[in-house]
Amino acid sequence: ETGVTQTPRHLVMGMTNKKSLKCEQHLGHNAMYWYKQSAKKPLELMFVYNFKEQTENNSVPSRFSPECPNSSHLFLHLHTLQPEDSALYLCASSQFRQGDYGYTFGSGTRLTVV
Amino acid sequence: DQQVKQNSPSLSVQEGRISILNCDYTNSMFDYFLWYKKYPAEGPTFLISISSIKDKNEDGRFTVFLNKSAKHLSLHIVPSQPGDSAVYFCADDMRFGAGTRLTVKP
Repeated sequence: ETGVTQTPRHLVMGMTNKKSLKCEQHLGHNAMYWYKQSAKKPLELMFVYNFKEQTENNSVPSRFSPECPNSSHLFLHLHTLQPEDSALYLCASSQFRQGDYGYTFGSGTRLTVV
Repeated sequence: DQQVKQNSPSLSVQEGRISILNCDYTNSMFDYFLWYKKYPAEGPTFLISISSIKDKNEDGRFTVFLNKSAKHLSLHIVPSQPGDSAVYFCADDMRFGAGTRLTVKP
């Protein structure tokens, strides 16, 4: 596989459930990111990992918990979410700070909290 | 406070004409500004970037212009094609605008 792969593509979960989103990149990048896209709002940066170390947490509620076991894998653990957390969650990777080549995004996980 | 702003949520142009997408930013410290394109059910894909020391970068039908004094950048697509219909995001490194939905009519 190539590029950035996110699973699952769609997820419906209750407010008391615990679930995890998975992201995997096969590009040899050293940085990975989680973004949230809500309807009619800008892409919101959630977390940044550079060489497996979290370098940014953009004031994200603790019900979202990231994990980066190595530079190729990134997880977002979810628990006790709220309906307003329903959104498209996008993972991206890049060479950290190599800004002119941009990020490579996955196709996203469409999350619905019921 | 939003660091990157795209004030036009949508734009419609005729095939063959020029599309101009605009973006304003507040933070001048970044070395690059970027444009991404997003189709439904897919993640954004990188389209073109511009270094902060340049005022223009061209790649085929796509040209990005940077006006540092006005803190403004724009993406020109000419000629526009129906396949260009998508949502376009501008970004400064990690922060993205809200996007502009471009529709190119045949």
